Amino acid sequence: EVQLVESGGGLVQPGGSLRLSCEASGFSFSSYWMHWVRQVPGKGLVWVSRINSDGSSTSYADSVKGRFTISRDNAKNTLYLQMNSLRAEDTAVYYCARGGQQLASDFDYWGQGTLVTVSS
Amino acid sequence: EIVLTQSPGTLSLSPGERATLSCRASQSVRSSYLAWYQQKPGQAPRLLIYGASSRATGIPDRFSGSGSGTDFTLTISRLEPEDFAVYYCQQYGNSPLYSFGQGTKLEIK
Repeated sequence: EVQLVESGGGLVQPGGSLRLSCEASGFSFSSYWMHWVRQVPGKGLVWVSRINSDGSSTSYADSVKGRFTISRDNAKNTLYLQMNSLRAEDTAVYYCARGGQQLASDFDYWGQGTLVTVSS
Repeated sequence: EIVLTQSPGTLSLSPGERATLSCRASQSVRSSYLAWYQQKPGQAPRLLIYGASSRATGIPDRFSGSGSGTDFTLTISRLEPEDFAVYYCQQYGNSPLYSFGQGTKLEIK
């Protein structure tokens, strides 16, 4: 059974940093592109970032470029999102999602999400 | 940049009725790389349809997707109580990659 479990969310002050983790199981993690998607409570889904299967290629939404860094450790079956210079507008539930084995793919499995609150 | 616009914003129907949800793209979606997701309160999104018309694993056949180019439709043939949720379309073939529509809320009438 495919499982994605996020952790690392919490309350952080504006300008602070946080690292999210997503532990994967039930599939060959190193074969799949992975994504982060966020959702402000009560609002829609917004794609944040993606990383290819071996970690050599990444991409970001303009709203987080230069502040967030996506990475992965295929030996640990874990995806990360390092978030720096956090702003109030980064407050959201952050989901990790499995892409496919190529750039253009839907997201077929999602974690349960972790809430990040940026507030003083 | 492709923008996806979903309509209606809210759809009020009764169990047993047919639901038709629309997703319109500001430019043609390459290779029909369009997906539909269902999200219930407090839950993660669930993939329903990919490639505009292919059902994901385990999705009942009352869910169907159609369309190409700029106009796409999700149809639920006969609504079950568990189908009332928010539905999102997503394109994954054009820049910016992976953009979502704003969602359609399907509520019980």
